[in-house]
Amino acid sequence: DTGVSQNPRHKITKRGQNVTFRCDPISEHNRLYWYRQTLGQGPEFLTYFQNEAQLEKSRLLSDRFSAERPKGSFSTLEIQRTEQGDSAMYLCASSLPDRVPYEQYFGPGTRLTVT
Amino acid sequence: AQKVTQAQTEISVVEKEDVTLDCVYETRDTTYYLFWYKQPPSGELVFLIRRNSFDEQNEISGRYSWNFQKSTSSFNFTITASQVVDSAVYFCALSGRGMYSGGGADGLTFGKGTHLIIQP
Repeated sequence: DTGVSQNPRHKITKRGQNVTFRCDPISEHNRLYWYRQTLGQGPEFLTYFQNEAQLEKSRLLSDRFSAERPKGSFSTLEIQRTEQGDSAMYLCASSLPDRVPYEQYFGPGTRLTVT
Repeated sequence: AQKVTQAQTEISVVEKEDVTLDCVYETRDTTYYLFWYKQPPSGELVFLIRRNSFDEQNEISGRYSWNFQKSTSSFNFTITASQVVDSAVYFCALSGRGMYSGGGADGLTFGKGTHLIIQP
């Protein structure tokens, strides 16, 4: 039974560079979420997919951020022209499909450091 | 807008003591869902419990219990006979009914967390 996986686990990049993270959800989960967590804070919702459709985006998701889930399986989160303020842990979660909001299962996260 | 407040930033107790973590929420939804997650030092969030707004029964799972009080918009979490392995950051979270699925698929709104330290 594999959980949510995220790659890479750590990423160090220079300001202005583009970065891309990958999330593989639990296989039967059709809902996929991205969150960002900074030190000492709770996770903040960024965006959500149901299958391949991106249904909700937070105001936190600036134009430099884009997320995709092309075949309704794995998802990628790209940050263009990174800024030091983008340094955070990026978390992915997935959940079962149903009308009731099932619990979200989280991956280990990708820690981004922008220098 | 939804909001979750965890007023206790850090709690430190000695092993075997009971400890209660407070959570107060705000929402305009009449149907909503509350969650508790644990984030141990390893960093991965672990789901503990989900509670529906229309079910005010308290729940007990081993040493863990949850007290949902709709009248005070609180969803408190108690650990009985705490153990060192309970040391972690605990997050309370809230989800609305959901705009697209009709059943609640919104992203979770988390509190800032309570850092629980259990001393041996």
